[in-house]
Amino acid sequence: NAGVTQTPKFQVLKTGQSMTLQCAQDMNHEYMSWYRQDPGMGLRLIHYSVGAGITDQGEVPNGYNVSRSTTEDFPLRLLSAAPSQTSVYFCASSPDRATFTGELFFGEGSRLTVL
Amino acid sequence: GIQVEQSPPDLILQEGANSTLRCNFSDSVNNLQWFHQNPWGQLINLFYIPSGTKQNGRLSATTVATERYSLLYISSSQTTDSGVYFCELGNDMRFGAGTRLTVKP
Repeated sequence: NAGVTQTPKFQVLKTGQSMTLQCAQDMNHEYMSWYRQDPGMGLRLIHYSVGAGITDQGEVPNGYNVSRSTTEDFPLRLLSAAPSQTSVYFCASSPDRATFTGELFFGEGSRLTVL
Repeated sequence: GIQVEQSPPDLILQEGANSTLRCNFSDSVNNLQWFHQNPWGQLINLFYIPSGTKQNGRLSATTVATERYSLLYISSSQTTDSGVYFCELGNDMRFGAGTRLTVKP
């Protein structure tokens, strides 16, 4: 199993550009989520999904869109990038978060810089 | 939401020393994990420990849910233990701010 795979690992954007961070998992996990980590801080939840076709907002959703058309994939879209979105982004999955009791597994992160 | 506090924020040790990291939370939880973020940024699962005690080599963890805290013990620390340690409350999908550990040779 590859686990949770994120692409790209590094990306530089100009203000106003759009892009999609890809996340895929091969563990058949129902739950997937996106976090951002800013320097010296913990991770903050952006969006999450408890299954295909179901998404919800986390603590810091503004400026980001998600969709979940398959169990395996959970892309994060930035429609108009801003410098405040410069951060490291982590995708995670869990076998059972519908009841918020499952263990969380992370991808290796994607470092995004917005100029 | 549930408040989570980790202490100490920073810890510097000599190789071979022992340490205890603490995670306090403001409400009952049934899902708590400890992670190590290594200097390359990878998040490594250490323990899934909503209650009780677990051990894995030099590391162990205890969660006392009724008293709203969890402890991570590191014994005989090594330079490879350096990094940031986070606790995460699954009920609220919330991370603590972390404890930055530096182990000096």
